Amino acid sequence: QQQVKQSPQSLIVQKGGISIINCAYENTAFDYFPWYQQFPGKGPALLIAIRPDVSEKKEGRFTISFNKSAKQFSLHIMDSQPGDSATYFCAVTGGTSYGKLTFGQGTILTVHP
Amino acid sequence: DAMVIQNPRYQVTQFGKPVTLSCSQTLNHNVMYWYQQKSSQAPKLLFHYYDKDFNNEADTPDNFQSRRPNTSFCFLDIRSPGLGDAAMYLCATSRGDSKNIQYFGAGTRLSVL
Repeated sequence: QQQVKQSPQSLIVQKGGISIINCAYENTAFDYFPWYQQFPGKGPALLIAIRPDVSEKKEGRFTISFNKSAKQFSLHIMDSQPGDSATYFCAVTGGTSYGKLTFGQGTILTVHP
Repeated sequence: DAMVIQNPRYQVTQFGKPVTLSCSQTLNHNVMYWYQQKSSQAPKLLFHYYDKDFNNEADTPDNFQSRRPNTSFCFLDIRSPGLGDAAMYLCATSRGDSKNIQYFGAGTRLSVL
């Protein structure tokens, strides 16, 4: 049973464009929703995260939008840059998964110059 | 400065020959995790330690074992590597609070010949 569904699998964006990656979850007990960024040959690194008591969180060019009723959250990358090219994973934690992360399937983002 | 250090970065072993991967941390975090990540897939949690308490995932094969002799170090032992065990192995740490922010090492790429 997939607890987190992430889409799209891959995304190609032109420099300066907006990248949008979506995730949907099933368990309403989850209470923390991070996004991790992974470059080739590196481990994932926390990019930005949100709690369900807010609908949006922005850090620089990165924004998480959260829709609690729809059980969906998304990552928006504004003014996408070639250096943003990486694999992005959404994740969920909390409830019976306390102390563990459940990752989405990942999105390979390519930003063309 | 690297906070979660994995050694070696690349490991080649023979089919059936035991191998040990190591992880150390300078963060003094309570929790240490081992993940397996195959190409174009999300990290898959194998097990984790909360202090000295070992927590095995239900679907982790018996072939995989772990040791945590102290707060700073954690080892992954693969008793009889098969071709299907070739993957990137990631170590991560967290404080063990509700945010569960995990800090990943750069990983060890394991090849099985």
